[in-house]
Amino acid sequence: DGGITQSPKYLFRKEGQNVTLSCEQNLNHDAMYWYRQDPGQGLRLIYYSQIVNDFQKGDIAEGYSVSREKKESFPLTVTSAQKNPTAFYLCASSIVSERIAHEQFFGPGTRLTVL
Amino acid sequence: GNSVTQMEGPVTLSEEAFLTINCTYTATGYPSLFWYVQYPGEGLQLLLKATKADDKGSNKGFEATYRKETTSFHLEKGSVQVSDSAVYFCALSGGLETSGSRLTFGEGTQLTVNP
Repeated sequence: DGGITQSPKYLFRKEGQNVTLSCEQNLNHDAMYWYRQDPGQGLRLIYYSQIVNDFQKGDIAEGYSVSREKKESFPLTVTSAQKNPTAFYLCASSIVSERIAHEQFFGPGTRLTVL
Repeated sequence: GNSVTQMEGPVTLSEEAFLTINCTYTATGYPSLFWYVQYPGEGLQLLLKATKADDKGSNKGFEATYRKETTSFHLEKGSVQVSDSAVYFCALSGGLETSGSRLTFGEGTQLTVNP
């Protein structure tokens, strides 16, 4: 089955520690995205990447970092500089083409709680 | 820049009632429009989409028509079920001010259907 996997589903960390969230896709999509969702709110874009070894900041990139060394993988690191990291994190991927804006496919999410 | 405005929730209906969730957008050019659904504790799933004016997206009894003259993409269903209880997000992608398939989301509308 093709899809997007995120691990772990629940993650607990102490304040001041960096933590890395995993996102893997086997859909052969060029673009990958990271979103943050807070309770009762919409999604906010953290980072996105349209090609391997390249990525761009989204609307709330401060305190986060990413890498895109492989097409299938787009890990997100939540650093100690992120002031309020407790949230639900969603990874997505999509086809990229010049003529049409394609839908994004989402993973199941990781709920991060900082104690 | 691009923006999406959804009707405020939460929305509570009885089973078999008619559903409308309003969505209006601001964008230059010709964006693609999407409705996503999120069940508790899960990622987002694409419900339906429309890529050009007057297109009607439909899936699982839900419908939405891309109205460029009113910049709207309202979600409708003739007879809701308890299993439709979820959060619904309107989103757009493309147009002249976004790159690739980057999505702009509305705030989401919580729907609860009572038996």
